[in-house]
Amino acid sequence: DIQMTQSPSSLSASVGDRVTITCRASQGIGSSLAWFQQKPGEAPRSLIDAASTLQSGVPSRFSGSGFGTEFTLTISSLQPEDFATYYCQQHSAYPLTFGGGTKVEIK
Amino acid sequence: QISLKESGPTLVKPTQTLTLTCTFSGFSLSTGRVGVGWIRQPPGKALEWLALIHWDGEERYSPSLKNRLTIIKDTSRNQVVLTMTNMDPVDTATYYCAHRAVEKGHWNFDLWGRGILVTVSS
Repeated sequence: DIQMTQSPSSLSASVGDRVTITCRASQGIGSSLAWFQQKPGEAPRSLIDAASTLQSGVPSRFSGSGFGTEFTLTISSLQPEDFATYYCQQHSAYPLTFGGGTKVEIK
Repeated sequence: QISLKESGPTLVKPTQTLTLTCTFSGFSLSTGRVGVGWIRQPPGKALEWLALIHWDGEERYSPSLKNRLTIIKDTSRNQVVLTMTNMDPVDTATYYCAHRAVEKGHWNFDLWGRGILVTVSS
């Protein structure tokens, strides 16, 4: 199985801050990586696919980058509605696997 | 507009079989290049992929749960059914179904149902 490791597991930030979350794959997955946002009590929402393709309706302050084993999700200017937990997921090989999540909290 | 909704029991006893139904609209599993997957999330924990089925009938399962899972599609009813045998309290989780589509060679769970919380307890 391909293991997905996210860091940090949590972070505190202020509105307006630039936030970066890292996801590492245990083996190369090309650009077969997606990012999801999940708010408490809600289903996950697709933000980014193919490592860097923003899904329709997702604000441009979100961006993704990376290839192979290391990927990043960046929020250029954190907004109040961005406080949530973020997950990466690889779809390069079965079984599909998710990272452990990064909780973004208000400082 | 695509939507998905999970339904089934919210409480099951240990050793029982869980049957969950995903009823969807806005797409068909008889046309190409789409799929439906099931993902679960224990309270306060991370997401875990369970199974998926594609338009062509291809089924995929999590190896750790493969012996307990079955996924089928009912194209006429726009439903995907997941059964999980021998339920245990550790299977307590919110179970989600999600639409899977491919674009430029990349598959993605782009739309999710709201989920159903299933508790396993005697």
